[in-house]
Amino acid sequence: EIVMTQSPATLSVSPGERATLFCRASQSVSSNLAWYQQKPGRAPRLLFYRASLRATGIPARFSGSGSGTEFTLTISSLQSEDFAVYYCQQYNNWPPLTFGGGTKVEIK
Amino acid sequence: QVQLVESGGGVVQPGRSLRLSCAASGFTFSTYVMNWVRQAPGKGLEWVALISYDGNNKYYADSVKGRFTISRDNSKNTLYLQMNSLRPEDTAVYYCARVAISGSFGDYWGQGTLVTVSS
Repeated sequence: EIVMTQSPATLSVSPGERATLFCRASQSVSSNLAWYQQKPGRAPRLLFYRASLRATGIPARFSGSGSGTEFTLTISSLQSEDFAVYYCQQYNNWPPLTFGGGTKVEIK
Repeated sequence: QVQLVESGGGVVQPGRSLRLSCAASGFTFSTYVMNWVRQAPGKGLEWVALISYDGNNKYYADSVKGRFTISRDNSKNTLYLQMNSLRPEDTAVYYCARVAISGSFGDYWGQGTLVTVSS
């Protein structure tokens, strides 16, 4: 099973600042990585697939990068609606499909 | 637009059974792979099961293998999760998610249904 590790667990950022989230895989997942955003009481929302391909309707201030075992999600200028929990998921080698533990982006 | 609506959650005693449903609309259900993913209270996401577009191939997380069964009825545009021998650790919000054409990630998700296993 591929283990996905996200860091940090919590990120405190002021509105307008840049946020950088990390996701590491226990073995290479190539570029087969997705990112999701989840707000309290809501379902996850797809942000990126293939590590860097933006899903429909995702603003350009979000960017994804990486391949192999190291991945990054960057939010260039945090807006109020961006405060949420973010999850990465690998789909290169399954079953099982595996998620990281999440990074909570909170208001500083 | 794509819609996924889960139902069937509730409170159930340990060892009992429950069947979840996910009604799909806004896309050609019979051509998509589908998924169940769960989230225990205050915890992260955990993949549960996946079924091929025609129902012939099914995959499960080890934590539910032998107890849960994923199925689908393409004539009714509905996905199911039959959960037997439920345990307290199965308590979670269960989401159904459509699996994208371009890879095994969820591109659309339902709002979830809460299953609570407690005596």
